Amino acid sequence: GAVVSQHPSRVICKSGTSVKIECRSLDFQATTMFWYRQFPKKSLMLMATSNEGSKATYEQGVEKDKFLINHASLTLSTLTVTSAHPEDSSFYICSARPPTGVSGRPETQYFGPGTRLLVL
Amino acid sequence: GENVEQHPSTLSVQEGDSAVIKCTYSDSASNYFPWYKQELGKGPQLIIDIRSNVGEKKDQRIAVTLNKTAKHFSLHITETQPEDSAVYFCAASRSGGATNKLIFGTGTLLAVQP
Repeated sequence: GAVVSQHPSRVICKSGTSVKIECRSLDFQATTMFWYRQFPKKSLMLMATSNEGSKATYEQGVEKDKFLINHASLTLSTLTVTSAHPEDSSFYICSARPPTGVSGRPETQYFGPGTRLLVL
Repeated sequence: GENVEQHPSTLSVQEGDSAVIKCTYSDSASNYFPWYKQELGKGPQLIIDIRSNVGEKKDQRIAVTLNKTAKHFSLHITETQPEDSAVYFCAASRSGGATNKLIFGTGTLLAVQP
């Protein structure tokens, strides 16, 4: 149980285009999902917290107009990188927090497999 | 805010030996400490976690210890195998908040030599 998927797994796009990444909780409902960014050989950097039915909460320094987050259902959150540039190239990972009854702990996060974005 | 330090950054052991990774945290209110394993090109996988009301937890070859007074916690892997080779991240979180954000350590690259 507690499986999280991401799509696509990798994407290459031209500078100036927008890219949408989907994060799905496959076997549980998640009122809260998180989006992280990870640079090579570095730790995970939290970008934003996505709450179903409300606006996302962005971390300091993350441009909300650049990284649009939509959490329209209890099993799907999307991250759209708008007008992507080479410096946006990175590994983007989402996580979802299942209800306490599933994980046994309200804080547990399960991660997706990640999406590698390359902007040319 | 919370800060989590992790050591060592790289660790090489012989197959069958034990591996220990240590983390310290700054926020005394943190009460949930998960450990994640990340293989190359994949997302982190939760391998074990512990809450502050417990001092030690074990799951087969993996164990985690927590010292609340010193604000540090450790991951212990016994009888290491080549498939244990990966990057390991510790994290800390304070439950009860609206988001329960995880603050991650900087990661440890574990290499198990056959």
